[in-house]
Amino acid sequence: GQQLNQSPQSMFIQEGEDVSMNCTSSSIFNTWLWYKQEPGEGPVLLIALYKAGELTSNGRLTAQFGITRKDSFLNISASIPSDVGIYFCAGPSQGGSEKLVFGKGTKLTVNP
Amino acid sequence: EAQVTQNPRYLITVTGKKLTVTCSQNMNHEYMSWYRQDPGLGLRQIYYSMNVEVTDKGDVPEGYKVSRKEKRNFPLILESPSPNQTSLYFCASSFLLAGLYNEQFFGPGTRLTVL
Repeated sequence: GQQLNQSPQSMFIQEGEDVSMNCTSSSIFNTWLWYKQEPGEGPVLLIALYKAGELTSNGRLTAQFGITRKDSFLNISASIPSDVGIYFCAGPSQGGSEKLVFGKGTKLTVNP
Repeated sequence: EAQVTQNPRYLITVTGKKLTVTCSQNMNHEYMSWYRQDPGLGLRQIYYSMNVEVTDKGDVPEGYKVSRKEKRNFPLILESPSPNQTSLYFCASSFLLAGLYNEQFFGPGTRLTVL
């Protein structure tokens, strides 16, 4: 089945640093999604990307839809303690646009 | 407030004792889904429903049942829980509009421990 390979698995950074994480797949995705899960909560959608090459920002977050449609990147600038959480990439399964395939997540820790 | 609610939030039970985790949404969404989250494995879909009385298996359906008798509710049933079903469970819902991806809204999670 489709798989999303997310890296790194975890990151430990100092407040104020920039963060970069990525997601790759062996198959093409027509939509790339980035979710954030805060401790004790369910995932929340941060950014949705619909077009190859698209670059979209949401505050300090910027995500890009790779040209090959097989990868996506999420960058966080000037990290703050509330950025802590697990970041998941996801994409609709080839079997149907509602079924999502998730990466295994990048756990971010920000030291004040 | 638009939301997905799950109950209970935490549950400790023993092997073989039937349990139900409830999920309810107040957004009139057609699509509802259950996921389980395990360390190092991300979120995996258990079952989903595209409308009332329409349910289908996800990637890891073994040991689970669901029902969709009403649009707002989508309970997850474990007839005979086993320790390998110890996990964090999430319910999610979305509209089913044609075209662009329909954002899935997640509940707060249910942490289940099966002894």
